[in-house]
Amino acid sequence: GAGVSQSPSNKVTEKGKDVELRCDPISGHTALYWYRQSLGQGLEFLIYFQGNSAPDKSGLPSDRFSAERTGGSVSTLTIQRTQQEDSAVYLCASSQLSSGRLGAQYFGPGTRLTVL
Amino acid sequence: DQQVKQNSPSLSVQEGRISILNCDYTNSMFDYFLWYKKYPAEGPTFLISISSIKDKNEDGRFTVFLNKSAKHLSLHIVPSQPGDSAVYFCAASYIIQGAQKLVFGQGTRLTINP
Repeated sequence: GAGVSQSPSNKVTEKGKDVELRCDPISGHTALYWYRQSLGQGLEFLIYFQGNSAPDKSGLPSDRFSAERTGGSVSTLTIQRTQQEDSAVYLCASSQLSSGRLGAQYFGPGTRLTVL
Repeated sequence: DQQVKQNSPSLSVQEGRISILNCDYTNSMFDYFLWYKKYPAEGPTFLISISSIKDKNEDGRFTVFLNKSAKHLSLHIVPSQPGDSAVYFCAASYIIQGAQKLVFGQGTRLTINP
């Protein structure tokens, strides 16, 4: 079946502008995660959605970052007043509860954000 | 504070030989460990996992070993093939307040030489 999809694949923006990144998880997956990978770094957790529970926002680096998940499916990550240090690849992943715990996370191809 | 560390940023192995990728962790709360492979311009792909109650899990050419006392896990690929050239991330998982959290290492770039 279809995997996790993200759009756009690339986004170039000017410092100070707002951007929206979109994620379509695998159908039926209840958990959705956002990560970012800066150049030469590992994956940094940003935010997590599980079913109808309140999201875990503990990884968001500043209040310029926010995310929502509508109808338990599609998610949008919004970065306001972008800064150059926001340049990174933003990855979305989804997973499904299996045997009482969440299984492996399946990743989308990512959105490469460049802030000039 | 890096809870999951991959101390080798790169590794080069000859085709047909064994590739061994290492990962160390510090948090005793981690109870599930995963390896992901990532090609350029693609998202990470799940490869293999292991529960903390086991010390070995095998899937074809891939075997993951877990040494809980040393807080160390490794991924063995044998025989190595050119298509295995990629960046490999280890990840450690724990459950907190009903949510699964994954912590990733920095990655190791594996190059398989023909």
